[in-house]
Amino acid sequence: AQTVTQSQPEMSVQEAETVTLSCTYDTSESDYYLFWYKQPPSRQMILVIRQEAYKQQNATENRFSVNFQKAAKSFSLKISDSQLGDAAMYFCAYRSLSPIQGAQKLVFGQGTRLTINP
Amino acid sequence: GAVVSQHPSRVICKSGTSVKIECRSLDFQATTMFWYRQFPKKSLMLMATSNEGSKATYEQGVEKDKFLINHASLTLSTLTVTSAHPEDSSFYICSAKASSYNEQFFGPGTRLTVL
Repeated sequence: AQTVTQSQPEMSVQEAETVTLSCTYDTSESDYYLFWYKQPPSRQMILVIRQEAYKQQNATENRFSVNFQKAAKSFSLKISDSQLGDAAMYFCAYRSLSPIQGAQKLVFGQGTRLTINP
Repeated sequence: GAVVSQHPSRVICKSGTSVKIECRSLDFQATTMFWYRQFPKKSLMLMATSNEGSKATYEQGVEKDKFLINHASLTLSTLTVTSAHPEDSSFYICSAKASSYNEQFFGPGTRLTVL
C-alpha cells in the first residue's frame, strides 16, 4: 500500500518570503499522480498543484512550484512571495493510475500547518 | 471549475438518531464519489468509495452498517450515520470525480455534532 509522509507538522514564514513544505511517499508503482491541497480555516479543500509522475518537468502554478524527485520519492512544495492568504493546512496526496476499483482514492499525508507572519 | 456541494453544512442531533448528509456534483457527472472523515487538526481519513449504481467500497475499520452510503445517481451521493453517538461527531467531507477527470473535487464539508 502507498503511504505519504509529511514530516513538518508546522511551518512559519515571513510575508513575502519563500517557504518549502516537504513530502515523501512510498510506492511500487511507476505511474501515478501527486497533489498538494490547501485547507484554509473554512476547511474547503483546494487543489494547489498537480504532478504526473511520468513528467520530468516540475509543475508550476504562479507562486507555487514543486520539486519532484521520482527516484527519491520526494515531492516538496515551494511557495514564493508568501501572502497572508496562504496561511492554511497543506496536504500532500498520492493517487494511483491503476484502473482497479478503489485504486483511484487519494492517500493523504498528515498535513503541515503553515503560518504567515506579517 | 467543477463544483461539489454538501448539505447540510452543520447538523446537531441527539444520540441514537440517524443523520443524512448529501453530496452533489453541480456541473458534472460524478462516476465516483468519496467520503472522508476529518478529526480536528488531523488529516482526511477515507471512509468509503462509491461508484454510481453499485455498492460502496468501505475502508478497513469503517462499519458499513453504521455509515450507509448510497450513490443512486451521477450527481448525488448520500452518507447516513445511523444510530449516531457522540463519538461520531466529526467533520465529514465528500469529493467527486468524473471518469474523464484526473482530480477529485471536494465539497465544503459537514460538521456533525451528536449530543
